[in-house]
Amino acid sequence: GAVVSQHPSWVICKSGTSVKIECRSLDFQATTMFWYRQFPKQSLMLMATSNEGSKATYEQGVEKDKFLINHASLTLSTLTVTSAHPEDSSFYICSARDVASGRETQYFGPGTRLLVL
Amino acid sequence: GDSVTQMEGPVTLSEEAFLTINCTYTATGYPSLFWYVQYPGEGLQLLLKATKADDKGSNKGFEATYRKETTSFHLEKGSVQVSDSAVYFCALRGDSGNTPLVFGKGTRLSVIA
Repeated sequence: GAVVSQHPSWVICKSGTSVKIECRSLDFQATTMFWYRQFPKQSLMLMATSNEGSKATYEQGVEKDKFLINHASLTLSTLTVTSAHPEDSSFYICSARDVASGRETQYFGPGTRLLVL
Repeated sequence: GDSVTQMEGPVTLSEEAFLTINCTYTATGYPSLFWYVQYPGEGLQLLLKATKADDKGSNKGFEATYRKETTSFHLEKGSVQVSDSAVYFCALRGDSGNTPLVFGKGTRLSVIA
């Protein structure tokens, strides 16, 4: 099946620094990518929807200036957590939709665990 | 807004036991329903789906039937294996536009030999 990769798989950073997470669709083109955040024992919470070549659409309560999303190509979307704080520590998961397979097919990356000290 | 509620885990079963993971949803219109599975260290994978009422999704021995009258999409398997140990997520997608998936909290299943 289609593969979505994320890099890095985990990162530890100091408070106040910025962290970039990459999401790539390896064998298909994804016009739409989604970024989710997962807290321990919680569901995946949608943060934003990223469309290639246009600005991301953020969910209510998600700070767009803090979580910068860039979807520059059909195979790459990045999430940058700016001026990270300990409360940003979480598990971030990206997902990509395979245009050729239709709107129902959505593939997920393995996630990136962020720990802010 | 749309939401999904699934039974809390963890669920621990012996090999060959019967599995049921309950899932109910709240949504307007006619959403599509999904079960995703996350094996340790891997990303979520689509397990099965159903796009309209009374549809039954099935894969790898797992089944779920879209019940609109009870707004449910319970996951079942007649005989679980150790390799089924994973976290299972129920999800829905609304029927309008390019809507994203909405997930339940996930249920961790551990199958012991």
